[in-house]
Parts: sequence; C-alpha cells; structure tokens
Amino acid sequence: GAVVSQHPSWVICKSGTSVKIECRSLDFQATTMFWYRQFPKQSLMLMATSNEGSKATYEQGVEKDKFLINHASLTLSTLTVTSAHPEDSSFYICSARRTGAGETQYFGPGTRLLVL
Amino acid sequence: GENVEQHPSTLSVQEGDSAVIKCTYSDSASNYFPWYKQELGKRPQLIIDIRSNVGEKKDQRIAVTLNKTAKHFSLHITETQPEDSAVYFCAASRSGYSTLTFGKGTMLLVSP
Repeated sequence: GAVVSQHPSWVICKSGTSVKIECRSLDFQATTMFWYRQFPKQSLMLMATSNEGSKATYEQGVEKDKFLINHASLTLSTLTVTSAHPEDSSFYICSARRTGAGETQYFGPGTRLLVL
Repeated sequence: GENVEQHPSTLSVQEGDSAVIKCTYSDSASNYFPWYKQELGKRPQLIIDIRSNVGEKKDQRIAVTLNKTAKHFSLHITETQPEDSAVYFCAASRSGYSTLTFGKGTMLLVSP
C-alpha cells in the first residue's frame, strides 16, 4: 500500500508554455500532498503544501502565480508551471500523507522537466 | 524554522562494513525523524523513522538512534551490500506541523 504516481514522468517544452504535472495517491486518501523541487545532486526543496479543498501554502520565495497548485480531490493534486523558462528545468517530486495516519510522506517517482 | 545538518556528504565503505550517517536539528519541538533512500533518478523511499518518545529503532540491518538532548540522530547500516549504494536523506518535523525539513543528503557507495 501507499503508492503515489506522477504523470508525466518527463516532459520537454518550449519556453513560455505551461506544463501540468499530476500527483495521485493510488491506494489511499491524501488530504495533504507536498510538492518538492530537486536539482542535480541536491536535496529536496519543499515548494508548497497542497491541501484538499483549500489553497496551497507556499514556501518563502516560491511564486504562487507561477507554480499553480490545485488539490481537487483526496487522491489528486496538480502542479502547473506557467510560462515556463529554462531556469524552471528541474526534477519535481510530489509526496502524499495518508489521511489520519501520521506524518509519513510517500513520494511519487518524480517528473523531469526540461524547458528549451 | 527548522534546520537539519547532515554528515558526511559522501561515504565510501567496503561491502560488509558498517556505515553511519549523522544528522543534527535545531528545533527542539521536532519529534518525527524519517530517513529516506534515493537511488539515482528515482523516488525517495522511506527506510526507517523514529519518534521522539524512543531512543532507538531497528529493522534488520538498519537502525536509527535519537538523542533529544543533543538534538541529533543517526542512521546505522550494518553488513553493507552494493545495493545499499544510494543517497540517504534525513529529515525532521513536528507533529501537527506537517512539513519535513531535509538534510542535504549523504551519497553512500558500497564497493564489492
């Protein structure tokens, strides 16, 4: 149990376009999901906390208008990178916490974004 | 906010040896400390976690110790195998304040 999927696994897009990444908890409900960004050989940087049915909470320095988060159901959160630029190229990973079952976060496989 | 320091950044051991990775945290209210293993290009996988009401937890070849007074916790891997090679991240959080603060990671290389 506790499987989290992400789609797509990788995406290449042109500068200026928007890209949507989906994060799904496949076998459990997740009131809270998290979006991280990871640069090569670096740690996981929390971008935002996504809460089902309410607005996301963004970490300091993360532009909420650029990284749109929607958590419309207990099993799905989406991250949209709007007007992507080459500096947005990165590995984006989501995680999910099982509702009512403590602090453990289960991670998705990540989405590698390359903006040309 | 919380700050988690992790050492060493790289660790090379021979197969069969033990490996120890250490982390310190700054927020005395933190009480949940997971360890994740991340292989190249893959997702972080939870390998063990500990809460502040215990000082040690063991799962086969993996153990974690916690010293709340000193605000540090460590991961111990015994009888290392080549498949243990990966990047290991420690993290800390408070209960009820659900975000994890990660250390910078330790790249463990186990040579056959």
